[in-house]
Amino acid sequence: DGGITQSPKYLFRKEGQNVTLSCEQNLNHDAMYWYRQDPGQGLRLIYYSQIVNDFQKGDIAEGYSVSREKKESFPLTVTSAQKNPTAFYLCASSSRFGGGYTGELFFGEGSRLTVL
Amino acid sequence: KQEVTQIPAALSVPEGENLVLNCSFTDSAIYNLQWFRQDPGKGLTSLLLIQSSQREQTSGRLNASLDKSSGRSTLYIAASQPGDSATYLCAVNLANQAGTALIFGKGTTLSVSS
Repeated sequence: DGGITQSPKYLFRKEGQNVTLSCEQNLNHDAMYWYRQDPGQGLRLIYYSQIVNDFQKGDIAEGYSVSREKKESFPLTVTSAQKNPTAFYLCASSSRFGGGYTGELFFGEGSRLTVL
Repeated sequence: KQEVTQIPAALSVPEGENLVLNCSFTDSAIYNLQWFRQDPGKGLTSLLLIQSSQREQTSGRLNASLDKSSGRSTLYIAASQPGDSATYLCAVNLANQAGTALIFGKGTTLSVSS
């Protein structure tokens, strides 16, 4: 089945530790995204990547880092610099059309990070 | 800056009712608009995608309309069922900013009682 796989589903972190969330897609999509979701705040964009080896900061990139070495993978690292990392993290992907516009967006099941 | 608003934030209806969820956006220059469903603790599931040249899209009991000139989209759910209970989000893709990400509303949480 084609889709987006996020792991782990639940993750606990001690303060001061870096953690990496995995996102893999087998939809052959060029574009991939990371969103953060907090109660009452909706989805906020962390980073996105339109092609391999290229990515752009979203609205709340501080304290996060990403890489895009392979088309199917877009891991997100939550660093110790992120002051309030407890949240639900969602990865998404989409195809790209001429002119760079994105098609239908598909999401993974999410990863819930809790800082102890 | 494009803003996407969904009102009401929450809606409760009895089973069997037809209902409309609203999505408004401030910049009418959009490339497409997408409606999603999110169950608690889960990811988002795509329901309908409307291109800027389209007026509506239908899938089963769902019908989404788009009026770019007024900056509005509606999601119509016919004969609601308890299984429709979820949060519904809309998101727009800007027409003049190719390569950027979608902008989301905060969603409407729907509760359908049996």
